[in-house]
Amino acid sequence: KQEVTQIPAALSVPEGENLVLNCSFTDSAIYNLQWFRQDPGKGLTSLLLIQSSQREQTSGRLNASLDKSSGRSTLYIAASQPGDSATYLCAAYYGQNFVFGPGTRLSVLP
Amino acid sequence: DVKVTQSSRYLVKRTGEKVFLECVQDMDHENMFWYRQDPGLGLRLIYFSYDVKMKEKGDIPEGYSVSREKKERFSLILESASTNQTSMYLCASSPPGGIPYNEQFFGPGTRLTVL
Repeated sequence: KQEVTQIPAALSVPEGENLVLNCSFTDSAIYNLQWFRQDPGKGLTSLLLIQSSQREQTSGRLNASLDKSSGRSTLYIAASQPGDSATYLCAAYYGQNFVFGPGTRLSVLP
Repeated sequence: DVKVTQSSRYLVKRTGEKVFLECVQDMDHENMFWYRQDPGLGLRLIYFSYDVKMKEKGDIPEGYSVSREKKERFSLILESASTNQTSMYLCASSPPGGIPYNEQFFGPGTRLTVL
């Protein structure tokens, strides 16, 4: 069964810290992996998409990496800010279906 | 930018009512999806559609049906709403499946409460 897990479930850091969010998937036959941000009571906003042939993608202070062989992806957030507080979800795409992780709830304290 | 809109942000219905949730996308995407999101359970796929008039069951289709009469519109129908269908409902769209550069775009969600 295709499953996606995320560690940690919740994270609280002081402003300015660099941090890493982890995403693991059981089936390595992914087409791509997508990272999303979700604010409370809102929909999902796409942050980064990494193709299966890529190792990493960058957007501003965000960097996502992908290691298919180990079934892992990480989202690195540099110089965190209170506005980064949200839930971060990863989703693995298998050509027909997307499998979502449960999310990591991030709080960045001023 | 891709835009996915949902007909209501908040909806309150009574048990037994028939409920329609509408989703519209403006990027000519073939694929459209309906998810529900519940605390501790994450996002679960209810139904998806890869073309007009086509539909496929997801992980939790019981108690729901869908309609896709036009490419841009995907409707979720609760035939007889029950309290256990109180949830956040999220619609998404994406280009055709199998393309490596596929990306999913979400609407703002509808918070449905069934009393």
